[in-house]
Amino acid sequence: KNQVEQSPQSLIILEGKNCTLQCNYTVSPFSNLRWYKQDTGRGPVSLTIMTFSENTKSNGRYTATLDADTKQSSLHITASQLSDSASYICVASSGAGSYQLTFGKGTKLSVIP
Amino acid sequence: DAGVTQSPTHLIKTRGQQVTLRCSPKSGHDTVSWYQQALGQGPQFIFQYYEEEERQRGNFPDRFSGHQFPNYSSELNVNALLLGDSALYLCASSLGGRGNTIYFGEGSWLTVV
Repeated sequence: KNQVEQSPQSLIILEGKNCTLQCNYTVSPFSNLRWYKQDTGRGPVSLTIMTFSENTKSNGRYTATLDADTKQSSLHITASQLSDSASYICVASSGAGSYQLTFGKGTKLSVIP
Repeated sequence: DAGVTQSPTHLIKTRGQQVTLRCSPKSGHDTVSWYQQALGQGPQFIFQYYEEEERQRGNFPDRFSGHQFPNYSSELNVNALLLGDSALYLCASSLGGRGNTIYFGEGSWLTVV
């Protein structure tokens, strides 16, 4: 069964600090790994997409890494801002189409002043 | 360029009733997927439509049905509503299949009482 596990479940950090969110996936066959940011009550917004051949991808202050051998990914946020407060969802895509997505439950990040 | 638009944004229905949710994909996108997101959970894949056909389906009962129109817009229908159907229903659009960025709408909040 395809699964995506994220940790921690929730995280509180001070504004300006860095943080790293973790994702372990069991998806076969693996196609790509996505990170989304979801504000409360809103639709998810894409941050990064990585295929198995990519180790890292950045989007502004967000940097995602992927280790296809250990089936792990991380999302690093630098110099956090209050607007970074949201849920961050890891999504693994399997098979031949992008529709076969397996979502994690997300990490709820709170950035406080 | 409008993104993915969904309607209605919020609605309340009674157990046993039927509901129709609507989605217009991002301009140029031909593929629409529907997801159910319960509170505190990651989105669960319901089904995907491409070229007016249901291409893939998740683990949802037949009470959940859909349709895609020639202009690529889509509807999600849920019959015989249960209390457990209360959730945020997300529509996502993309162009074709694997590796492409998927854009989500803001969702339709359904409350079943």
